[in-house]
Amino acid sequence: DVKVTQSSRYLVKRTGEKVFLECVQDMDHENMFWYRQDPGLGLRLIYFSYDVKMKEKGDIPEGYSVSREKKERFSLILESASTNQTSMYLCASIRVDEQYFGPGTRLTVT
Amino acid sequence: AQSVTQLGSHVSVSEGALVLLRCNYSSSVPPYLFWYVQYPNQGLQLLLKYTSAATLVKGINGFEAEFKKSETSFHLTKPSAHMSDAAEYFCAVRPYSSASKIIFGSGTRLSIRP
Repeated sequence: DVKVTQSSRYLVKRTGEKVFLECVQDMDHENMFWYRQDPGLGLRLIYFSYDVKMKEKGDIPEGYSVSREKKERFSLILESASTNQTSMYLCASIRVDEQYFGPGTRLTVT
Repeated sequence: AQSVTQLGSHVSVSEGALVLLRCNYSSSVPPYLFWYVQYPNQGLQLLLKYTSAATLVKGINGFEAEFKKSETSFHLTKPSAHMSDAAEYFCAVRPYSSASKIIFGSGTRLSIRP
């Protein structure tokens, strides 16, 4: 089975902190994604990567950056966390037509 | 631009009753369509997908969905609801023009009454 893991299930950070969310997949998938999930808004794409060191902006990239140094790992970075970035963050990788999701990281910025 | 609309942010049915979750997409060309389920405190899991083969698609846990081009719809159904079906359900679309980007609907929370 494909496995996508995220480094933390719950995270609490202070405003202005630099935050790293890590995602690792174990099936050699080329495409990886970061979404944020908010009530009533569904999933919104932040960034995606289709290869090592390659990245593309999604629909809401402002305030975020990403890093993909190895194929299996895709990191989401909040350079200076703000309270409006409090959300559930979901990582996914894709094989053919199917996206496989990690369990999510619930981030609270105080 | 492609979009997905899920009608009803919350649906409540009795155990044993029919489940119907509605999804409409906007696209001039039939895209790939998906339904995902999210149980509490978990990530999303693929229920079923339509990729231009059979219009009636069967998925896991007894769910199925029918692609109707004339109505641009892809509604999700299950004949008899079970308590374990309580979750949030997301409809999603992947345009032919996109190699990987998937657009999600806003989700429908399904509650099951005993």
